[in-house]
Amino acid sequence: AQRVTQPEKLLSVFKGAPVELKCNYSYSGSPELFWYVQYSRQRLQLLLRHISRESIKGFTADLNKGETSFHLKKPFAQEEDSAMYYCALRAAGNKLTFGGGTRVLVKP
Amino acid sequence: SAVISQKPSRDICQRGTSLTIQCQVDSQVTMMFWYRQQPGQSLTLIATANQGSEATYESGFVIDKFPISRPNLTFSTLTVSNMSPEDSSIYLCSVEGWGASGYEQYFGPGTRLTVT
Repeated sequence: AQRVTQPEKLLSVFKGAPVELKCNYSYSGSPELFWYVQYSRQRLQLLLRHISRESIKGFTADLNKGETSFHLKKPFAQEEDSAMYYCALRAAGNKLTFGGGTRVLVKP
Repeated sequence: SAVISQKPSRDICQRGTSLTIQCQVDSQVTMMFWYRQQPGQSLTLIATANQGSEATYESGFVIDKFPISRPNLTFSTLTVSNMSPEDSSIYLCSVEGWGASGYEQYFGPGTRLTVT
């Protein structure tokens, strides 16, 4: 069975500082990984996916199969980045398995 | 993309009663998913609802407790039966659709259920 782990429940950083959210997974197949974000009073939405290898809102994430990780990074955090972030793995049957989530708080 | 609405947005129910949550999508989709998010926890998949067939339930979830209907390609309902305080959660509906860079899951706003 697949599993997604986000070891940090809360990350508090100052505006302009780098931020890195950790995500590790276990899955026997070829993984498809995502980062979802939920801003205050908004619904859960896709931030980025490993296949596209693009930067969204300054965030990037690289899939490291050797370390089974998919960490999310941003070099300069902004106050509007304060949100709940979930790492997710898409398995057979198109089902998503979510990590426990990391709350990011960017202080002015 | 897909726009999803859920009704009700929130409810407070007494133990032993049942609540049916509706999920409406603005386009036809094959697969719809129901998730539960208990207080302070992550999302857990309850079941996958396909039109024209029985829903597929994940381990730990059973049809008697969470019956699901999927009468057409744009609508589904989840019923939480014989509720107890442990059922207090946010229940989310989601669908998979074609986004800017491939398939992605779109989520409804959730239904916040409190059982007293």
